[in-house]
Amino acid sequence: AQSVAQPEDQVNVAEGNPLTVKCTYSVSGNPYLFWYVQYPNRGLQFLLKYITGDNLVKGSYGFEAEFNKSQTSFHLKKPSALVSDSALYFCAVAHFNKFYFGSGTKLNVKP
Amino acid sequence: DVKVTQSSRYLVKRTGEKVFLECVQDMDHENMFWYRQDPGLGLRLIYFSYDVKMKEKGDIPEGYSVSREKKERFSLILESASTNQTSMYLCASSLIGTGGLETQYFGPGTRLLVL
Repeated sequence: AQSVAQPEDQVNVAEGNPLTVKCTYSVSGNPYLFWYVQYPNRGLQFLLKYITGDNLVKGSYGFEAEFNKSQTSFHLKKPSALVSDSALYFCAVAHFNKFYFGSGTKLNVKP
Repeated sequence: DVKVTQSSRYLVKRTGEKVFLECVQDMDHENMFWYRQDPGLGLRLIYFSYDVKMKEKGDIPEGYSVSREKKERFSLILESASTNQTSMYLCASSLIGTGGLETQYFGPGTRLLVL
């Protein structure tokens, strides 16, 4: 069965510091991985995805994610956090037209 | 830009009522999805549809049904609302793509409260 784990319910970081939001996955076959962000009272917005190729994927708003096959991880990163990055982040794995989402990680960026 | 709209942002219904949630997308996407979002549980797939009049059960279809009479519109129906269906409901759409790898685009969500 396909599954995604986000081990941290919440991540706190100071503005200007690097941030990492963790994601690990379990999937049969090749993993196709996504990150989405949700701002309060809004739907999910696509950030980036990994299908194949370079293990470092760049996405919207300065975010990037590193695919690590041996560790079955797809951590979201940003070199310098902004207060406006505060939101709920979801990792997802795609498998034949269906997405399996993690439970979400709340990112708090403090001034 | 892809636009996915949902008919209501907030709904309050009584137990036992029949509830309709409507979703419309304007990008000619084949796939449409209904999820519910609950704190600590992430998003769980209720139903999805890959073509007009076609539907497939997701992970938690009990108590729900869907209708897709037109390509752009996907409705979620709660036949008899119960308090445990109080949740945020999110609609999404995507191209059919290859192996189902296409990005899903989400609507703003409907927050449903069942009293």
